Amino acid sequence: GENVEQHPSTLSVQEGDSAVIKCTYSDSASNYFPWYKQELGKGPQLIIDIRSNVGEKKDQRIAVTLNKTAKHFSLHITETQPEDSAVYFCAALTLSGGSYIPTFGRGTSLIVHP
Amino acid sequence: DGGITQSPKYLFRKEGQNVTLSCEQNLNHDAMYWYRQDPGQGLRLIYYSQIVNDFQKGDIAEGYSVSREKKESFPLTVTSAQKNPTAFYLCASSRSGTGGREKLFFGSGTQLSVL
Repeated sequence: GENVEQHPSTLSVQEGDSAVIKCTYSDSASNYFPWYKQELGKGPQLIIDIRSNVGEKKDQRIAVTLNKTAKHFSLHITETQPEDSAVYFCAALTLSGGSYIPTFGRGTSLIVHP
Repeated sequence: DGGITQSPKYLFRKEGQNVTLSCEQNLNHDAMYWYRQDPGQGLRLIYYSQIVNDFQKGDIAEGYSVSREKKESFPLTVTSAQKNPTAFYLCASSRSGTGGREKLFFGSGTQLSVL
């Protein structure tokens, strides 16, 4: 099955700095890569995603890049703000038998210091 | 408002007791999922259901059971066979059809603790 590795487990930055979280996956058939943000005591929410036919996608201060050859993808947050502090999860999905079953990374706790 | 509702928010289990976590969605989604979250472990899939009256085991199904009698509801029972049930449990759903099946919508979770 799919295996997703996520690094770092904790990331501490100063407000205004950039933050980068990296994930690798093992199954070359995976074709969809979402990122979720989880605030304390809440469920994860989708913040950005990328499909395997695209190398980069940007939405305001967040961007995701994908390198299919190397099987890794990254989340980039620019001009970080205290409200960006949360746990971020990457995932990889493979379509199999009509079902998309995501495999998640272990999460990165991002702390943005004012 | 459409969404996924999990209840209760906090639940306590005694030794040898079965407990049931509720998950209801009014998004008209076909697929529903249960994940377990432990600190530093990420999200691990317990069970999922793509359609009413059908469900499949995920990676850590032992000690858990589910039912899917209605499209809107996917309750999870943590049985006494689950020896380490303390965790944060998340329910999710997704649409059917192209362009939507892969996007998960999560509930706010249930924290289960053992007394």
